[in-house]
Amino acid sequence: AQSVTQPDIHITVSEGASLELRCNYSYGATPYLFWYVQSPGQGLQLLLKYFSGDTLVQGIKGFEAEFKRSQSSFNLRKPSVHWSDAAEYFCAVGAQSNTGNQFYFGTGTSLTVIP
Amino acid sequence: EAGVVQSPRYKIIEKKQPVAFWCNPISGHNTLYWYLQNLGQGPELLIRYENEEAVDDSQLPKDRFSAERLKGVDSTLKIQPAELGDSAVYLCASSFRVYNEQFFGPGTRLTVL
Repeated sequence: AQSVTQPDIHITVSEGASLELRCNYSYGATPYLFWYVQSPGQGLQLLLKYFSGDTLVQGIKGFEAEFKRSQSSFNLRKPSVHWSDAAEYFCAVGAQSNTGNQFYFGTGTSLTVIP
Repeated sequence: EAGVVQSPRYKIIEKKQPVAFWCNPISGHNTLYWYLQNLGQGPELLIRYENEEAVDDSQLPKDRFSAERLKGVDSTLKIQPAELGDSAVYLCASSFRVYNEQFFGPGTRLTVL
């Protein structure tokens, strides 16, 4: 079955520490990969996307993500977390398959930043 | 450039009442999505439009939910009658094409009492 997995439901990091949020997908076709952030009471905002080419992609707010086909992963990273990064983070995957075009979100990772 | 506009932002109704949500996508975006988001969960696609055609409505509970996108621009999602389990945030998003980045509206938080 096709799926998007974010193994970490909740992560707590100290301000200034590095961050890595995990995302794994299971699709037979070449996926399009996205990371979104959602602050409380707000809609989702795109952080970055991967369609093809360089497997390390840069996004807004200092985030980056690396596509690793061999591991079916697209982990999100930030070298130094700011208090304003506290939010919900969603990995999303879009793919074309024999059954049609599909787009799925993971269940999200909630990030808490402590001073 | 204006973003995706949704109204209302909040809605409280009693069960069995009807409710409607409105979405105006970004100008020029052909693809429009309605999502349901429960607390602590990721968005779940209800329906996707390409222009005025509903191309993916497999997850839309058609016994009570309906949607339309007349003229391929703004869209309305309706629930009739609402049930307690429909309490959630309803998100609208648009993109130039499917798989392009989606731009989300702020959502409508529905509470069914």
